[in-house]
Amino acid sequence: QQQVRQSPQSLTVWEGETAILNCSYENSAFDYFPWYQQFPGEGPALLISILSVSDKKEDGRFTIFFNKREKKLSLHIADSQPGDSATYFCAAPRGSALGRLHFGAGTQLIVIP
Amino acid sequence: EAAVTQSPRNKVAVTGGKVTLSCNQTNNHNNMYWYRQDTGHGLRLIHYSYGAGSTEKGDIPDGYKASRPSQENFSLILELATPSQTSVYFCASGGRDRGATLYFGEGSRLIVV
Repeated sequence: QQQVRQSPQSLTVWEGETAILNCSYENSAFDYFPWYQQFPGEGPALLISILSVSDKKEDGRFTIFFNKREKKLSLHIADSQPGDSATYFCAAPRGSALGRLHFGAGTQLIVIP
Repeated sequence: EAAVTQSPRNKVAVTGGKVTLSCNQTNNHNNMYWYRQDTGHGLRLIHYSYGAGSTEKGDIPDGYKASRPSQENFSLILELATPSQTSVYFCASGGRDRGATLYFGEGSRLIVV
């Protein structure tokens, strides 16, 4: 069973628009949510992360909104650029396991110039 | 900068043959991981290691073995490759704390014919 779910599977936006990528989870014990960004032909790399004690985390054009009650979070990419075209993975720690993560299936974002 | 290198980057293997994917990290991280990435499944954990000499099974270990001869090196071994193991494989390293960032290699594309 997928512990972390992402939607949509694919998203296309115009340059300058805000892209919204969604993530949900089942386990109330999850307390840390990193998002990884993957460009074609490369490995994923950490983009931004949030702790469950916060409801918002900003880093430039990237913002995570977190709703603990609904077990949902979303990644907003403001003023989307063609260079943001990538696959984005939401993840959560696997219980007390040191360093291991559950990954969602990913959202492929395409930004059209 | 964190560095994880994988070899080979591309491999075509015959069914029933042995395949070894190698990974080297210069981050001095204790933890290393092997994931496979398939469309619709995201990143799935095959094996991981907490240090030299240790290997642990992940979520999908069947058909795979792992070896961690040193802090820097972690190998994934397919003793009898099957077409279902055609995939892109990623190695990653990371620290021991729950919020540790994972550093991924660039991936190894394996095709089993």
